[in-house]
Amino acid sequence: QVHLRESGPGLVKPSETLSLTCTVSGGSISTTSYYWDWIRQPPGKALEWIASIYSSGNTYYSLSLKGRVTISVDMSKSQFSLRLNSVTAADTAVYYCARHPQGQYYFDSWGQGALVTVSS
Amino acid sequence: QSVLTQPPSVSGAPGQRVTISCTGSSSNIGAGYSVHWYQQLPGTAPKLLIYVNINRPSGIPDRFSGSQSGTSASLAISGLQAEDEADYYCQSYDTSLRGWVFGGGTKLTVL
Repeated sequence: QVHLRESGPGLVKPSETLSLTCTVSGGSISTTSYYWDWIRQPPGKALEWIASIYSSGNTYYSLSLKGRVTISVDMSKSQFSLRLNSVTAADTAVYYCARHPQGQYYFDSWGQGALVTVSS
Repeated sequence: QSVLTQPPSVSGAPGQRVTISCTGSSSNIGAGYSVHWYQQLPGTAPKLLIYVNINRPSGIPDRFSGSQSGTSASLAISGLQAEDEADYYCQSYDTSLRGWVFGGGTKLTVL
C-alpha cells in the first residue's frame, strides 16, 4: 500500500517561492506504472491540478500556472517536489501530492495534504 | 468557474437515493475522456470513489455507482447513510487545456 506525505513551510511571504516535497513510501517512485502529481485546494474551493511528472523526467503543467511552477523528482530519496514562484494570497491552499496510473487519468492515491498560507 | 459543472449541493434522507450530475464539453467528457469521482470527508484528502465512469475501487460499497453519457456523467448514491455526508468531485481530462480538470464540487447533506 503506497503512502504519500507532503512536507514544507506552512507560511510563505508574497512574491517569494513556495516549496513542497512529497515522500513516497510503500512503493517505488521510479516505477513506470505511475505518474506523480500535485493538486491544490484553496480554502472552501474546488480542487485544481497543478503538475505531473513521470519517472522518465517528462513533466506536464497546468496552463494557468505554467511559467511559475516546477515539478521535479529525486528517486534516490523517493521524493518529488513542487516549486511555485512569485506567490500571492491567491496561492493559499491545501496542497496535495497524488499519483495516477500510466495510461489512465484518475488519481488513485493521495497524501494527507499540507496547508500553505501566503501572507506577510 | 470550473470546467466541469456540478450542483453546489444535494440532500436526502437516510435510506434514500440521490444523484449528482457532472456536465462537461466536447473537449473533455465529450471527447471520450472518462469521468472519475472522489469523496472528500470534512478535513480529509479526497478519496477515489468511482474510476473510468463506472468502476469502484476495492472497499467502495456498491451503494455508489457511476454512469456517463455524451458530455455528462452522474454519481448515484443509494441507501444514504449519515457517513456519506461529504463533498463529491467529478474529474476528467481536457484536451484544450491539456490537463486534468475537476468539477466545482457538490456538498451532500444527509437530513
